[in-house]
Amino acid sequence: GAGVSQSPRYKVTKRGQDVALRCDPISGHVSLYWYRQALGQGPEFLTYFNYEAQQDKSGLPNDRFSAERPEGSISTLTIQRTEQRDSAMYRCASSRDSNTEAFFGQGTRLTVV
Amino acid sequence: GEDVEQSLFLSVREGDSSVINCTYTDSSSTYLYWYKQEPGAGLQLLTYIFSNMDMKQDQRLTVLLNKKDKHLSLRIADTQTGDSAIYFCAESSYSSASKIIFGSGTRLSIRP
Repeated sequence: GAGVSQSPRYKVTKRGQDVALRCDPISGHVSLYWYRQALGQGPEFLTYFNYEAQQDKSGLPNDRFSAERPEGSISTLTIQRTEQRDSAMYRCASSRDSNTEAFFGQGTRLTVV
Repeated sequence: GEDVEQSLFLSVREGDSSVINCTYTDSSSTYLYWYKQEPGAGLQLLTYIFSNMDMKQDQRLTVLLNKKDKHLSLRIADTQTGDSAIYFCAESSYSSASKIIFGSGTRLSIRP
């Protein structure tokens, strides 16, 4: 596609529910990243993939968070048993490889009530 | 751990130059970036500089790097209303180029 596409753009969920956030990277991009951005803060690294392999998941805050990219293209970030503190903008980015410019999507704003 | 600090707000008059400052702590930082975030939009990479450079100019943008003081600045010449945005300073290291550490962002507002 023309750019990184994330869906949904907005998600409101009740505390305790699971959510799945989708990222469709730019076609042909090998590397894919997930970041979380709280209000008034900069993005915070969560995890990244090269092809389908998860290279670094050191930024995932706890075991309720997981991500996958089974076919090396679309990725899903899943948050289980959501808590209010999970409310944030979740941003995905992709790049041709891990040493080139990353292009960010518009993000998914998650609100946990 | 790594940290990137920048002031939260900057207000300049249209047509003046804007200078946004940033300090970082990671001495192994290899790449230093400036990103722009406009309301409702994704993050846009404006420019970047390698740590072995001390200056980079790209049209109205000038990046200065003082590696000794771990200080990075972005100068926008002839600031326009379209430059209103949040500007993020960010860094990554050679060993972990894919993990970008961002500052909290500087909100630039333009007054007529």
